[in-house]
Amino acid sequence: AQSVTQPDIHITVSEGASLELRCNYSYGATPYLFWYVQSPGQGLQLLLKYFSGDTLVQGIKGFEAEFKRSQSSFNLRKPSVHWSDAAEYFCAVGAAGGGADGLTFGKGTHLIIQP
Amino acid sequence: IAGITQAPTSQILAAGRRMTLRCTQDMRHNAMYWYRQDLGLGLRLIHYSNTAGTTGKGEVPDGYSVSRANTDDFPLTLASAVPSQTSVYFCASSVAFSYNEQFFGPGTRLTVL
Repeated sequence: AQSVTQPDIHITVSEGASLELRCNYSYGATPYLFWYVQSPGQGLQLLLKYFSGDTLVQGIKGFEAEFKRSQSSFNLRKPSVHWSDAAEYFCAVGAAGGGADGLTFGKGTHLIIQP
Repeated sequence: IAGITQAPTSQILAAGRRMTLRCTQDMRHNAMYWYRQDLGLGLRLIHYSNTAGTTGKGEVPDGYSVSRANTDDFPLTLASAVPSQTSVYFCASSVAFSYNEQFFGPGTRLTVL
């Protein structure tokens, strides 16, 4: 079965500083990987996804993530955070070809932006 | 505007009552999903449907039922609500069951007393 670990429950970053959110996955074959963002009281919005090809993927809002098969990681990065980036971030893994498991989500990382 | 709508936005319910959460999408997606979100547990899949007329159980299906009479609607029913079903419920859809990019609705916050 697939699984996702987000080691950091909370992260605090100063506005303008760089950001990296960690995500490790467990899956026996080639995974499909996603990062979603959830603002308070809102649904989940897709930031970016990796299916195949270039291991560095660009997303919306200036985010990027790098797939590293050797480390089973898909960390999310942003060079300079803005106060509006404060939100909950979820990493998710899906089986290539879909399946009854749908997406498996990590437990989320809560991002706090300090002025 | 294309997307997923959920109703109600929030609800307080007495234990033992029956409740149906509604979900409608206008993207003509074949697959639909229900998740619950609980603090510290992330999102967990309750039920899914890969196409109209078929449904399947996810990770936490007990106490919930779904139906998929047509492509657009995927209601979630709690036959007899219990306090442990207090949660935020998200409906999602994807183009196909084999295609993992899912689009999410705004959620329903349910409190069972």
